[in-house]
Amino acid sequence: EVQLVESGGGLVQPGGSLRLSCAASGFTFSSFWMHWVRQAPGKGLVWVSRITSDETPTYADSVKGRFTISRDNAKNTVHLQMSSLRAEDTAVYFCARVGPRLKGLFYWGQGTLVTVSS
Amino acid sequence: DIQMTQSPSTLSASVGDRVTITCRASQSISGWLAWYQQRPGKAPKLLIYDASSLESGVPSRFSGSGSGTEFTLTISSLQPDDFATYYCQQCNIDSPCTFGQGTKVEIK
Repeated sequence: EVQLVESGGGLVQPGGSLRLSCAASGFTFSSFWMHWVRQAPGKGLVWVSRITSDETPTYADSVKGRFTISRDNAKNTVHLQMSSLRAEDTAVYFCARVGPRLKGLFYWGQGTLVTVSS
Repeated sequence: DIQMTQSPSTLSASVGDRVTITCRASQSISGWLAWYQQRPGKAPKLLIYDASSLESGVPSRFSGSGSGTEFTLTISSLQPDDFATYYCQQCNIDSPCTFGQGTKVEIK
């Protein structure tokens, strides 16, 4: 059974940093691209970043230069290092993976809440 | 980045109604287009992948169509379980993915 479990969320001050992790199990982690998606309270889904199986990252313009995605295939984990955090980064952060047809995010974690506030 | 414009933002409908949600892309999508359903406090659920392919286990009243820059999600006969928020998403292989802003389907 595919499982994605996010951790690392919490309260951080504006300008601060936080590192999110997503522990994956139930599949060959190294073979799949992994995504991060966020959702501010009461707002819509926003795609944040993805990392390919050969570790090529892509970012949304809103986080480029502030967030860094990485993966540790030995530990089946994808990370999102977030720095220079702003109030507008407050959101639930989900990690996700495409499904068997490789088109569309089928597997999602439960999300981890990041709150940026002084 | 490709912008996805979803309409309407809110839709009021009754059980049994036929419902259509539209997503327009700012440029032609060469990768994949997906549709999701999300209920409050839950992760999104994939309904349609590759614009028109029904994900396994999703009721056949859901269908997707379109290509290029215009895409549609249709619910042929709205059921009580379908009142939720729906999102389109595009992913091109060489550019960031993006979501539409969402369509909330409410009870009329």
